[in-house]
Amino acid sequence: EAQVTQNPRYLITVTGKKLTVTCSQNMNHEYMSWYRQDPGLGLRQIYYSMNVEVTDKGDVPEGYKVSRKEKRNFPLILESPSPNQTSLYFCASSGDRSHNYGYTFGSGTRLTVV
Amino acid sequence: GNSVTQMEGPVTLSEEAFLTINCTYTATGYPSLFWYVQYPGEGLQLLLKATKADDKGSNKGFEATYRKETTSFHLEKGSVQVSDSAVYFCALRTGNQFYFGTGTSLTVIP
Repeated sequence: EAQVTQNPRYLITVTGKKLTVTCSQNMNHEYMSWYRQDPGLGLRQIYYSMNVEVTDKGDVPEGYKVSRKEKRNFPLILESPSPNQTSLYFCASSGDRSHNYGYTFGSGTRLTVV
Repeated sequence: GNSVTQMEGPVTLSEEAFLTINCTYTATGYPSLFWYVQYPGEGLQLLLKATKADDKGSNKGFEATYRKETTSFHLEKGSVQVSDSAVYFCALRTGNQFYFGTGTSLTVIP
């Protein structure tokens, strides 16, 4: 089944403790992206990647890092999480260069930073 | 800059009622427009799309027409069902960036 898989689904952590949210897609898509979803703000793009070793900042990149060492994986790294990073995170991928087919989204990771 | 504005919810309708969710956009160039749906506890799913002016996207009884003159992409369905209860997001793509609206929650009651 074609899908984007995120792990974990739920995570509670403490301020300052480094964490990684993994994202993997099995569709050989070139384009991958991370979003955060917050009430009243919709989805905001954190980082995206056009291909292996090619990443770029979205609208809200501060406090986050990403890497794209393999085509299928695009982990999101929070080096020193803070409570304002408590949110619902989505990974998405697209195999169409024009994105006319839109994204395939993962099921989300709900992160709480205390 | 680029942005999407959609009507605020929540919207509550009775089954078989007519649905309209308004969406307007601001964009440079010629964006592609999308509607996504998010069911509880799930990620977003592409509902329909339109890539140029006057295109009509349709899927599962939902429709939206790309109106360049009014910069709008309103979502409509003639007869909603309980299973349509979800959050609906309007989005545009320009270049390599997607921009999403804030989402409109729809609840359909029997």
